[in-house]
Order: sequence, then structure tokens, then C-alpha cells
Amino acid sequence: GAGVSQSPRYKVAKRGQDVALRCDPISGHVSLFWYQQALGQGPEFLTYFQNEAQLDKSGLPSDRFFAERPEGSVSTLKIQRTQQEDSAVYLCASSPYLGDSYEQYFGPGTRLTVT
Amino acid sequence: KQEVTQIPAALSVPEGENLVLNCSFTDSAIYNLQWFRQDPGKGLTSLLLIQSSQREQTSGRLNASLDKSSGRSTLYIAASQPGDSATYLCATTYNNNDMRFGAGTRLTVKP
Repeated sequence: GAGVSQSPRYKVAKRGQDVALRCDPISGHVSLFWYQQALGQGPEFLTYFQNEAQLDKSGLPSDRFFAERPEGSVSTLKIQRTQQEDSAVYLCASSPYLGDSYEQYFGPGTRLTVT
Repeated sequence: KQEVTQIPAALSVPEGENLVLNCSFTDSAIYNLQWFRQDPGKGLTSLLLIQSSQREQTSGRLNASLDKSSGRSTLYIAASQPGDSATYLCATTYNNNDMRFGAGTRLTVKP
């Protein structure tokens, strides 16, 4: 069956531009997570949704980062006025269960490069 | 703040060797621990998930152990193959919405 998909796979933005990254979770999955992975590092938690509710956004690095999941399925991570330090791979994961005590299924990620 | 450390950062072995990857974490109050594989330019593939009440999990040539009291986990790979070459990440689930990852061990298995 179809896994988690993310688009675009690669994005190059000039500093100051706004970007929107899309995540299509596995159909029916309740929980959705966004992570940021810098080069040579492990992913770091950004935010978590349970259906359409954003229950935790403590990992978002600044108020330039905004995530939404209005209908409880597709999610969009938006970064306003991009900075060079935003360059990273952004990973999305979904889980069929509440919370993350269960296995998360990851998408291939979107590699963002800010020039 | 939960910290997850993986040693070594990189490992190169000849094909056929058995090997051990190490993961340590600072807060033992975890819900579970997972080992992931990441290939270049790809997302993460879950290999093994150990619940806090368990001590080990096995899948094929992989065996993962968990010692909560000492804050350690190991991933054992038997009879390594070139196709095992990838970065291996461990991650602890601390509270309900927070998964903490190590920086990974980059494994190269030479034919």
C-alpha cells in the first residue's frame, strides 16, 4: 500500500522567501509528526497533530514556522522569510494510533536549501 | 532534556562480520526505544521497536536489547552484508509526543 509521501522532494529558496512543504500521511492514520534533520544529525521533533488538532508545537524553532492539518489528513509545514539556518531535511511521519508510543511511518523527506 | 548518544559515529566492517551498534540515553523514563535505518536521500525505516517493559526484540539478522536502568540499547547485526550499509538511528519516546533521536551510526559493509 501507499506509504507517507512528501512534496516537493527538493526545494531551493532564496533567503527571505516563504515555502510550503506538504505531507500526505497513510490513509486513516490519526497522528502526524514533523521533524527537522540537519546534515549529519538525527531528526528533531517540530510538531505533532492528532487528527486536525495540533497538540504540541514546542519544537518549532521560531514563529516563522507554522504547521496545519485542517481536515485531519494532509498537513502543510510553512516557513516564512526563510533563513540559511532553515536548510535541512524536513521529515513527516504518521501513526495509526494516538501519541507516539507506537511505530511511526516516515516519508522520504523534503530537502530544503536556502541560498 | 532527554539526550541520546550513539557510538560509534561511523563503522566500516568486512562482509560477514557480526557487529554491535550502541545507543545511550540520559532519562530512563521512556515509553519505548526504536532503531531505524536511513539510506542516503531517503526517509527512515523502522527496524525494531522495544516497549519499556521488554528487554529485547529480534527480526531476522537483527537483535535489539534494552536496559532501561543503565540507559543503554544495542543493535546486533549478524553476518553483515553490503546491503546493510546505511545510517542506523536510535530514538527514545520520552513523553507522549516527543521522540528523541541520536545522531546515528554510519555503517559501511565492504564486500
